[in-house]
Amino acid sequence: AQKITQTQPGMFVQEKEAVTLDCTYDTSDQSYGLFWYKQPSSGEMIFLIYQGSYDEQNATEGRYSLNFQKARKSANLVISASQLGDSAMYFCAMREITGGFKTIFGAGTRLFVKA
Amino acid sequence: KAGVTQTPRYLIKTRGQQVTLSCSPISGHRSVSWYQQTPGQGLQFLFEYFSETQRNKGNFPGRFSGRQFSNSRSEMNVSTLELGDSALYLCASSTGQGYSYEQYFGPGTRLTVT
Repeated sequence: AQKITQTQPGMFVQEKEAVTLDCTYDTSDQSYGLFWYKQPSSGEMIFLIYQGSYDEQNATEGRYSLNFQKARKSANLVISASQLGDSAMYFCAMREITGGFKTIFGAGTRLFVKA
Repeated sequence: KAGVTQTPRYLIKTRGQQVTLSCSPISGHRSVSWYQQTPGQGLQFLFEYFSETQRNKGNFPGRFSGRQFSNSRSEMNVSTLELGDSALYLCASSTGQGYSYEQYFGPGTRLTVT
C-alpha cells in the first residue's frame, strides 16, 4: 500500500495566484513527521516545510504553509503568490518510527507557473 | 555553512563494473541517507547511516552497499552494475535520526550504465 499519495501528477497555476498541492499519507504510528521538498530542474532537493504529528498549528514558512488535517491523514502544501521560480517538482514525504525513521516520498507533483 | 556535497556529479560506467559514490554532509550532521531516483520508480530509499552505523536499509539487492566514516562522510558502492542502475543518486544529511529531522540534500550523482 502506498504510504504517501500525491494524486496530481501535474498542475498549472497563474503567477501571483495561490496553489494547493495535495498529499495524503498512511501510518499507524502516533509520532511521525511530514515534509515537503522542492526539486527544480537542476535536480537538487530543497527542504520547504515540516509538520509534526503532534503540532496543533499548521506549519508556515514564508509563502509556504502546510494544511494539516490529521483525522483525514492529509498534509497539503499551499503556496501563496506563486512565482515563476516555483515551477518544479514537489514531493511530500513522511518519517515514522515504524521502519526505523526512513523517509518515504510520494511520487511528486510537477507545478508549472504561468506568466 | 557549506551544503551537502556529492562526488562525482556525473558518471558513465559499463555493465558489470562497480562504482563508488561519495557524500560529504553538512558540518555537524551525523545522519546520512542515500536515495535512488528514477523516472519510473521515483525516489527510493537505499540506506541510512548514523554515527558510522547503518540504521536502516531499503529493498535493494546486496550489490548496493555503503558505509560512513568517523567524520560522517559516506560512500555508497554498487557492484556488478546493471542497466537498471542508471539513476540520480541523492545523498541527504540531517542532525539527528528521529522523525522530526528535516534532510538536506546534495546535488546528486547522475550515473549512466551502458
